[in-house]
Amino acid sequence: DAKTTQPNSMESNEEEPVHLPCNHSTISGTDYIHWYRQLPSQGPEYVIHGLTSNVNNRMASLAIAEDRKSSTLILHRATLRDAAVYYCILRDQGGSEKLVFGKGTKLTVNP
Amino acid sequence: ETGVTQTPRHLVMGMTNKKSLKCEQHLGHNAMYWYKQSAKKPLELMFVYNFKEQTENNSVPSRFSPECPNSSHLFLHLHTLQPEDSALYLCASSQEPSGAFTDTQYFGPGTRLTVL
Repeated sequence: DAKTTQPNSMESNEEEPVHLPCNHSTISGTDYIHWYRQLPSQGPEYVIHGLTSNVNNRMASLAIAEDRKSSTLILHRATLRDAAVYYCILRDQGGSEKLVFGKGTKLTVNP
Repeated sequence: ETGVTQTPRHLVMGMTNKKSLKCEQHLGHNAMYWYKQSAKKPLELMFVYNFKEQTENNSVPSRFSPECPNSSHLFLHLHTLQPEDSALYLCASSQEPSGAFTDTQYFGPGTRLTVL
């Protein structure tokens, strides 16, 4: 699986938007970009995924650069409950069931 | 509540003990996974089961022995562990078997294991 690079930590204020970046300069054309997050004392949970086009769901939006070498997870209005470690993961379309987790970005949300 | 439960949530054991971790998924999924999360390492995949058959062992020491009696249950049998095996052990499940690149994995809350 191709490697991703994320900042170790970020801070945000409650009710403000948060943009979590992820660099994946060695991404292949068949890699999907997945985001998971891990709340304190819980297992990871799926957030969103995409291939080329920007994606929206009830939790977040995923903005993918035109060259696909980077992406940004957008939380439109951060809440205290969004404080978590966010993982950006590439999954090959060719067929690996592996989720290869990096260190992720620890998001702190200030009240 | 993700539909994946794990018991016990906390376990303390000595190096000579034998214990088992249990995972149950109520989602009707076909694949189940064990992951290990140590304090200083990223989450690591240990084992994968598809339709009750083990399809991946990520070079896990034999003191960890998985068992999948059916698609809803997964066990991790532990014996003669070392203190460095202390970690959070997470179970996950997914609808699709291996190769589904868009498939979502659902994680349980984990078992916090301490080996004395």
